[in-house]
This record gives sequence, C-alpha cells and structure tokens, in this order.
Amino acid sequence: EDQVTQSPEALRLQEGESSSLNCSYTVSGLRGLFWYRQDPGKGPEFLFTLYSAGEEKEKERLKATLTKKESFLHITAPKPEDSATYLCAVQAKGYQKVTFGTGTKLQVIP
Amino acid sequence: GAVVSQHPSRVICKSGTSVKIECRSLDFQATTMFWYRQFPKKSLMLMATSNEGSKATYEQGVEKDKFLINHASLTLSTLTVTSAHPEDSSFYICSARLAGNPNTGELFFGEGSRLTVL
Repeated sequence: EDQVTQSPEALRLQEGESSSLNCSYTVSGLRGLFWYRQDPGKGPEFLFTLYSAGEEKEKERLKATLTKKESFLHITAPKPEDSATYLCAVQAKGYQKVTFGTGTKLQVIP
Repeated sequence: GAVVSQHPSRVICKSGTSVKIECRSLDFQATTMFWYRQFPKKSLMLMATSNEGSKATYEQGVEKDKFLINHASLTLSTLTVTSAHPEDSSFYICSARLAGNPNTGELFFGEGSRLTVL
C-alpha cells in the first residue's frame, strides 16, 4: 500500500526565514509525486508534479525536489501569504488513485 | 486555469435526511472525478472514483449505498449522503482531472463542502 509521511506537522517561520518541508514516500513504482497547497476551509491547489529522482520544479519562492525515497519543498524568503497547509501526494504507475499525506501547516509571521 | 465548482459550501441537516453535493468542472471536460473526505489533521481520504457514464468505484470501507455517486455528464458529478448521521459530518471535496490526461495525478479541486449533521 502506498504511504506518504510529511514532516514537520507544523512549521512557524519568520518572514524571510527560509526552510524545507519533507515528504517521505513508499510506492510500488512511482508515476508521479505531487505538491498541493491548501488554505483553511478550501480545496487543495495544485503546485508541482515530479516524475523522477533528481527532478526539480520552481514556482516563485517554492522549489520542489525529488529523490527515490523523499521529496522536499524548499521555501525561500517566505512571506505571510505563503501561510497554508502543504500537501504531498503520490500516484503509482498503472493506478488512478492519488494518496495524500497529512500535510505540513506553515505559518509565516511578519 | 481549470476551475472546479462545488456546491453547497456548507450544509446543515437533521439526522436521517439526505444531502446532495454537486461538483462541476466549469471550463474543461472531466471524464474522471474523485470524491474525498477530510478529517481535521488527517489526510484526504479517497472515497470513490467517478467515471462519466459508468458506475463509481468505491474504496474499501466506503458504503456505496450510503454515499451515492452519479457522474451523468463530462462536467457534473454528484455525491448524495443518504440517511445522514452525525458521524457523517465532515469536509467533502471533489476533484477532477482533465479529459486529455487520463492517467495524471494532477488534480483540480473544488472548494469543498462542510457537512454538519445534527
């Protein structure tokens, strides 16, 4: 069974203080690893797809990287508007199902 | 971008009644839609996969007679919670993938529906 574990559960940063969120996964043949952002009371918003180890994707202050066992979401010089829960998810080859982690709740303080 | 609209955003009902939640893809066709349930501090739990024109595929442990899913068109899927009870209170979220990407895990989510059963 596919598993996704995210850490830390919560992260509090000062504005401008860079950090990383971790996503460890086990899957029987990775088709894709996905990062989503979820604001309170809203549905998740798609951020990135990573397909193979060594791949990197960037969007504004966010950069996602992938190894064979984990993915990192690096946040550079975060701003208060980056505050949200960040979800990691995986999809196995040949399957439609996407398995989500429990997320990291990020709070960026001005 | 791809927009998924979910309605209602909040619903309160009495125990024993049925509630219908609609999920629409506004600017794209979605052959596949997914229904999730989310508990506080828990991951999104996939309830069922809904394919247009065919019966939904339910995950293990999800009662198909209680959570009725209909995907009548390429832009609309509905979830009906039948004979709702307080334990069904939760945040229900639908998602869809673009019709041209049948295998991608890139999903577009609705805003979610908060169900409270009294």
